[in-house]
Amino acid sequence: QKEVEQNSGPLSVPEGAIASLNCTYSDRVSQSFFWYRQYSGKSPELIMSIYSNGDKEDGRFTAQLNKASQYVSLLIRDSQPSDSATYLCAVNKASNTGKLIFGQGTTLQVKP
Amino acid sequence: KAGVTQTPRYLIKTRGQQVTLSCSPISGHRSVSWYQQTPGQGLQFLFEYFSETQRNKGNFPGRFSGRQFSNSRSEMNVSTLELGDSALYLCASSFVTPSTDTQYFGPGTRLTVL
Repeated sequence: QKEVEQNSGPLSVPEGAIASLNCTYSDRVSQSFFWYRQYSGKSPELIMSIYSNGDKEDGRFTAQLNKASQYVSLLIRDSQPSDSATYLCAVNKASNTGKLIFGQGTTLQVKP
Repeated sequence: KAGVTQTPRYLIKTRGQQVTLSCSPISGHRSVSWYQQTPGQGLQFLFEYFSETQRNKGNFPGRFSGRQFSNSRSEMNVSTLELGDSALYLCASSFVTPSTDTQYFGPGTRLTVL
């Protein structure tokens, strides 16, 4: 079992729709959770971090964390073609360190 | 604030050679982490340096090593290159505190081993 799992996709949504990306993790002691976006040939770009249970909203993006069920999700509202990218879920098992465990990423395609 | 910078951006080496990659973190960030990204394995953690000390290490052979200088700049070295070392090498820096450990990535160094 991988430590961080994501559906590789591709997830295809029409422009203007809500895209829902999911991620599960295996280690209950995981402390912090991140979503990164990576365009082809580029480096990962931080979208959002989340540390406690519940929802965290930033513009069109909402991250949801449920530690009891060990999953974290990312919702993208009003999806745009420019959102087409690979979305990486990352988990830090210990606070105060710089070791992230990444999922394989979900490819999102937003069709005009 | 300037972002994380990495040099060189592209490298072509042959098997058996060694290579050194450099990373300059965001000003004020003392933690630098290195990752290897390949199509097959995804993003994998190599090691983290904090205040010139290796604080965490991933599951990579000893051919992969690194160091950090007093100005927080970091280098990683790969000796005796193998074909499988071809990858995008990413550096990330963070201002690690008890309440935040967000990492910001540099543009990466694309290493090709022939």
